[in-house]
Amino acid sequence: TQLLEQSPQFLSIQEGENLTVYCNSSSVFSSLQWYRQEPGEGPVLLVTVVTGGEVKKLKRLTFQFGDARKDSSLHITAAQPGDTGLYLCAGDGQNFVFGPGTRLSVLP
Amino acid sequence: NAGVTQTPKFQVLKTGQSMTLQCAQDMNHNSMYWYRQDPGMGLRLIYYSASEGTTDKGEVPNGYNVSRLNKREFSLRLESAAPSQTSVYFCASSWTEHNQPQHFGDGTRLSIL
Repeated sequence: TQLLEQSPQFLSIQEGENLTVYCNSSSVFSSLQWYRQEPGEGPVLLVTVVTGGEVKKLKRLTFQFGDARKDSSLHITAAQPGDTGLYLCAGDGQNFVFGPGTRLSVLP
Repeated sequence: NAGVTQTPKFQVLKTGQSMTLQCAQDMNHNSMYWYRQDPGMGLRLIYYSASEGTTDKGEVPNGYNVSRLNKREFSLRLESAAPSQTSVYFCASSWTEHNQPQHFGDGTRLSIL
């Protein structure tokens, strides 16, 4: 069974700080997705990365897929309270699996 | 444009009762999915439907049944609810037939007493 681990599990920072969250596995994935989920709502797809080493930017968010396609990172520059939420990664391998998420709180 | 609509939003059941969770999407997507989300465990796939007329088991199908009524609608049924089925249930849809959910509903919060 393919598993995805995410770290840290919880993160609380002040507005304006930078942060990085990680998504790791021992398995290779053909693609990896990042979602953000706000309380009481469903996950919203942010990005899909497909190629090893790929970097994608979405405003202040930078997503990177590891060279070996086993891991990914999400970097947020100058975090804002609106970035608060649960960040989920999901990988497309033998099956499509979700990680448990990183819960981010950005304090004003 | 509503996207993925789930009903009901909240439900409380007693052990042994049955109920059906409804899901409809208006994006003309081929694939639809049912997930459950439990604390610390991420989203786990219960059943999916790659296209109208087909359904397949996911990671945790026991205790559930599904029906792909038409291209728009995909329902999830609990025949005899158990406390272990207390969870938040999400329906999702996507263009692709390759299990990559793109759009999620806002969930049904289900408690089994």
